[in-house]
Amino acid sequence: GAVVSQHPSRVICKSGTSVKIECRSLDFQATTMFWYRQFPKQSLMLMATSNEGSKATYEQGVEKDKFLINHASLTLSTLTVTSAHPEDSSFYICSFSGYNEQFFGPGTRLTVL
Amino acid sequence: AQKVTQAQTEISVVEKEDVTLDCVYETRDTTYYLFWYKQPPSGELVFLIRRNSFDEQNEISGRYSWNFQKSTSSFNFTITASQVVDSAVYFCALGEGGGATNKLIFGTGTLLAVQP
Repeated sequence: GAVVSQHPSRVICKSGTSVKIECRSLDFQATTMFWYRQFPKQSLMLMATSNEGSKATYEQGVEKDKFLINHASLTLSTLTVTSAHPEDSSFYICSFSGYNEQFFGPGTRLTVL
Repeated sequence: AQKVTQAQTEISVVEKEDVTLDCVYETRDTTYYLFWYKQPPSGELVFLIRRNSFDEQNEISGRYSWNFQKSTSSFNFTITASQVVDSAVYFCALGEGGGATNKLIFGTGTLLAVQP
């Protein structure tokens, strides 16, 4: 399968700061990609869908002004958590849409103090 | 409604036992895809299988097997002769809108603990 990287893998930040998470596809290009969030011991919940060059579509309950998604190219997408708060602490996972499946990144664990 | 239910929250077995993880889904689509993923403690999702709704054949891959029953909307996963390395959270997922590459609706996951 395709290789997807996420950076950073772990980040700890103070409340009120912004954090940028990069998701990069290393060996293929995709028009569509997804950002998921997973709270401890819970399932993955889709946050948003983005298409390269277009604005992201956010799921109900996800604040688009708080979680900024930039799908700049067919191999790179970024998620910026603005003014992070402790309740934003979670595991964030990106995925690129392939021909027959999604290819997931290894995830980024965000802890907001 | 599109929904995936994994009724088993946690399962604990002893090594070499067989274990079946249940997955029941609801969808309004006539064509759809189902998936199973493994999530070890490190967090990354490991793809296990993709199944198209037109293909009801059961599949076996080594110690893993899957039983797809459209009549009962179930897609169960069996691990034969479980090993400690099988310990992980297992997610069943449904591709929304009938696509394999559309957003996924995940079940709540089953935590499998295999004791030595």
